[in-house]
Amino acid sequence: QVQLVQSGAEVKKPGASVKVSCKASGYMFTGYFIHWMRQAPGQGLEWMGRINPSNGATYYAHHLQGRVTMTRDTSISTVYLDLTSLRSDDTGVYFCAKAFDSSGAAWGQGTLVTVSS
Amino acid sequence: IVMTQSPGTLSVSPGERATLSCRASQSVNTNLAWYQQKPGQAPRLLIHGASSRATDIPARFSGSGSGTEFTLTISSLQSEDFAVYYCQQYDEWLWTFGQGTKVEIK
Repeated sequence: QVQLVQSGAEVKKPGASVKVSCKASGYMFTGYFIHWMRQAPGQGLEWMGRINPSNGATYYAHHLQGRVTMTRDTSISTVYLDLTSLRSDDTGVYFCAKAFDSSGAAWGQGTLVTVSS
Repeated sequence: IVMTQSPGTLSVSPGERATLSCRASQSVNTNLAWYQQKPGQAPRLLIHGASSRATDIPARFSGSGSGTEFTLTISSLQSEDFAVYYCQQYDEWLWTFGQGTKVEIK
């Protein structure tokens, strides 16, 4: 079955960077975009951007451009989210999700990123 | 595309029907999904394509609508259904979510 497994929780200081991974299985990795979302404590879901695993093309939410980078490694069916210049309001749970097909969409389990001095 | 959900909070007694609304600022055709989220958990896909139940989702959950107006109905609320529900459009390659409706016990 389709599965997305994310890396573990991270604690970072303000100004640092974080890299979160999302390993896909159970489908053709290069056939579907992967999207990244985040959720601040007690808040709703915010779309961050998406990557085409086939060619690496990306598109980022405007307010994150310059701080966010999404990459992929097709040899291990994994996508990565890099976020730099971390601030306290970057604290939250980060999710990856596979684009929709006739069966719906699949999400990773989430990765908690805490930014604190 | 801006997604607006109503109401913000819905107080319902177990066994009663719950109706949640979602409005899009422009047409998303039927590219609309509904999720359930409980504290500390990832969102769980309930409905996609506006009305198709995802795998293993009970029949008491149903979705309807197209264009800009959508509804999620829970026919008879069970204790495990008290949670936050989000709608999401995927008509554009950039996804947007509603702000959520909290379904609480009355």
